[in-house]
This record gives sequence, structure tokens and C-alpha cells, in this order.
Amino acid sequence: KAGVTQTPRYLIKTRGQQVTLSCSPISGHRSVSWYQQTPGQGLQFLFEYFSETQRNKGNFPGRFSGRQFSNSRSEMNVSTLELGDSALYLCASSPLTGTYEQYFGPGTRLTVT
Amino acid sequence: ILNVEQSPQSLHVQEGDSTNFTCSFPSSNFYALHWYRWETAKSPEALFVMTLNGDEKKKGRISATLNTKEGYSYLYIKGSQPEDSATYLCAFGPGNTGKLIFGQGTTLQVKP
Repeated sequence: KAGVTQTPRYLIKTRGQQVTLSCSPISGHRSVSWYQQTPGQGLQFLFEYFSETQRNKGNFPGRFSGRQFSNSRSEMNVSTLELGDSALYLCASSPLTGTYEQYFGPGTRLTVT
Repeated sequence: ILNVEQSPQSLHVQEGDSTNFTCSFPSSNFYALHWYRWETAKSPEALFVMTLNGDEKKKGRISATLNTKEGYSYLYIKGSQPEDSATYLCAFGPGNTGKLIFGQGTTLQVKP
């Protein structure tokens, strides 16, 4: 079974621009969660999508948004990029939601200059 | 604010040593406790998901215990090997959703 894939792997953007990151979960997985990892903060939960519905949202500003498609693929969007948005963005999928272990993708490294 | 604390922050041991790490989490609103291993240049890999007080799980030389009443979990590695070198993350699940609150991790370095 193919693992979780994320595209692109690396991205450099300028402050004020917007960016869209993509995540393809493991086949059959319906839950996709997004996390931001920065050196000082560790892994921070952004949001979870399950069956095309946002189930949970972390403590991030409205500039961070996401969606999930009928094939469970998910995208996250960050508008009006700030320098502090530079981070590794990880997505994780699981068969259902709740107590199931999450399978992480390789991440997208975003650098904002 | 839900906080997950891990200790120690880092650990250097010799090959063959046994070691353990601690994860502290809120004892209220507990739903699940996850452990992940994150090796450099790889993705975090699930080790265990535990839900019941007193749960003990084992995978090879690695085991974990859970105490939900006092809000802690221990991860044990028996006879550490260089390939065990990684950052070990615990994550608290406060509800029946995919939201996980991660600790800062314990970075283990095993010297041959």
C-alpha cells in the first residue's frame, strides 16, 4: 500500500503571498490531520478533516484553511504569508477518527522570505 | 490550555543500556495516548496507541505503560541499539477525533 504523499516537498514563498499544500492519504483512509512543526513549538495541530468535513481546528489564525475532497485528498491554504509561517507542514491520515494511529507523510518544508 | 510534557528532553546512552522516558498529560478529558518515533529525514512512525488505564503495550524491545488517573505514560527501551536513535514523541488525544496534542519529544542518541 502506498504511504501518505505530500506535494510539494519544498517551497519558497515571499511574505504576503499565499500557498496551497496537498496531501494524499493512504487508500481507504478517511481522516486527514494537518500539523505545523517549528523548532520552538514542536508539532502543533492545525485541523482535521473527515469525510469532507472539518472536525477540529487548532489555535491558528483564519489565514490557515483547508478542505478535503470526496477521494479524501486534502489541501491546506495559507494566505498572506508571514515570516513566522516558515515551518515543516505534516499531514497524517488514519482509517477513521479517534483512537486510530496516524500515518504521517514526509512533509512540506515552507520557507517564507 | 492542554499541555503535554516529556522528560528528559534528550538522552545519550551506550549500546545495550536500557532507558525510559516520561510523558505527562492532563488526566481530564482523556481519550487516547499515542507514542511516535521520529527519525531524522523520515516521517513520524506510530509505536503505540493506548486508551485504557493500566494499558501495557510491547513491540520488540520497546514497551509502554499508561496511567490515566495520574496522567502519565512511560516508554521503555530494553537493550538500546544505535538504530533506536530518534526523537520519541507522545501525543494526547482529548476526544474521539484526530486532534492530537504533542509533547516536545525526547531525543535519544545511542552510541555504539
